[in-house]
Amino acid sequence: GEDVEQSLFLSVREGDSSVINCTYTDSSSTYLYWYKQEPGAGLQLLTYIFSNMDMKQDQRLTVLLNKKDKHLSLRIADTQTGDSAIYFCAASDMGRRALTFGSGTRLQVQP
Amino acid sequence: DAGVIQSPRHEVTEMGQEVTLRCKPISGHDYLFWYRQTMMRGLELLIYFNNNVPIDDSGMPEDRFSAKMPNASFSTLKIQPSEPRDSAVYFCASSFVGSNEKLFFGSGTQLSVL
Repeated sequence: GEDVEQSLFLSVREGDSSVINCTYTDSSSTYLYWYKQEPGAGLQLLTYIFSNMDMKQDQRLTVLLNKKDKHLSLRIADTQTGDSAIYFCAASDMGRRALTFGSGTRLQVQP
Repeated sequence: DAGVIQSPRHEVTEMGQEVTLRCKPISGHDYLFWYRQTMMRGLELLIYFNNNVPIDDSGMPEDRFSAKMPNASFSTLKIQPSEPRDSAVYFCASSFVGSNEKLFFGSGTQLSVL
């Protein structure tokens, strides 16, 4: 089955860019997603990318996909303290409707 | 739309007791998922339904866990008997055909088994 890996922690200063990385194993994943989880809350979909795309931009968010290396990244421009949260990468699991999630990257934004 | 609604938000129980978690998916969604989140194992898929029918329950840890979906607007996850290692946050999520497989999550139930 699908396996998704992420680094556990990232710390940046307010106003800087944040880059969160993710690798996955199933090259047949159709969609790849980024979810955000704030303390005590459920997962909120931030953005997603179709597997035949290389890049997707949505306001301060930029998703880059390197399908050859099975590498996905999320860049947050002008990071704010409100961006502090756990960010999950997820991949669609071929043959199953469900998503496989990475372990999450905790982003800490320092003022 | 109110989103996916889970209840209770918090549940504290003693080992050996029966626990029932509830979920109301978004109206019109035909897929429903139960995930469990722990520090050690992250987010794990337990089971998912399509049109109220269980499709994949391979993630259900043991026979102590059972899930039902009697109709399109309600699902339960039951643990009987509960054990301390079941302590986790349990999330319900729903989606629909044509949603590009996006999942919409509830706020979760924080379960503590003492």
